[in-house]
Amino acid sequence: KAGVTQTPRYLIKTRGQQVTLSCSPISGHRSVSWYQQTPGQGLQFLFEYFSETQRNKGNFPGRFSGRQFSNSRSEMNVSTLELGDSALYLCASSLAGAEQTQYFGPGTRLLVL
Amino acid sequence: GENVEQHPSTLSVQEGDSAVIKCTYSDSASNYFPWYKQELGKRPQLIIDIRSNVGEKKDQRIAVTLNKTAKHFSLHITETQPEDSAVYFCAATTDSNYQLIWGAGTKLIIKP
Repeated sequence: KAGVTQTPRYLIKTRGQQVTLSCSPISGHRSVSWYQQTPGQGLQFLFEYFSETQRNKGNFPGRFSGRQFSNSRSEMNVSTLELGDSALYLCASSLAGAEQTQYFGPGTRLLVL
Repeated sequence: GENVEQHPSTLSVQEGDSAVIKCTYSDSASNYFPWYKQELGKRPQLIIDIRSNVGEKKDQRIAVTLNKTAKHFSLHITETQPEDSAVYFCAATTDSNYQLIWGAGTKLIIKP
């Protein structure tokens, strides 16, 4: 079974731009969570989607948004990029939610200049 | 809401010795406690988990213990090896939270 994939793997943007990241979960997984990871920091929860519905959202500004499609693929969007948004963005999929094994993708490394 | 504290932030042990990482949680309703390992430059991977109806779980050199009364759970690694060097994250959740609450991570260094 193919693992979780994320595209693109690397991105360089400038302040004020917007970016869209994509996550394809493992086939059959309906839950997708997104995390921001900065050097030396833990996993900061962004949001979780299940069957196209956002079930939970972390403490991030409204510039961070996401969605999930009927095939469970998910995207996250960051508008009006700031320097502090530079980070590794990880998505994780599971069959149905947080109480099951989370399978992480390789991440998208975003650099904002 | 739930809060998970993880200690220590860095742990250095001699190869072959044991390592213990401890996490405390605040929400007594939490019922699922996984541990993830993230090697340098790689994605986090589940290494072991425990549910609230179990006090201890073992998988070869790795074990997790849960003390519901004290609201803490610990990861035990015996006979440490160089490949155990990584950052370890604990987490907790309830069945209605739809979100894992993560500890800050412990960098485990195995000295040869």
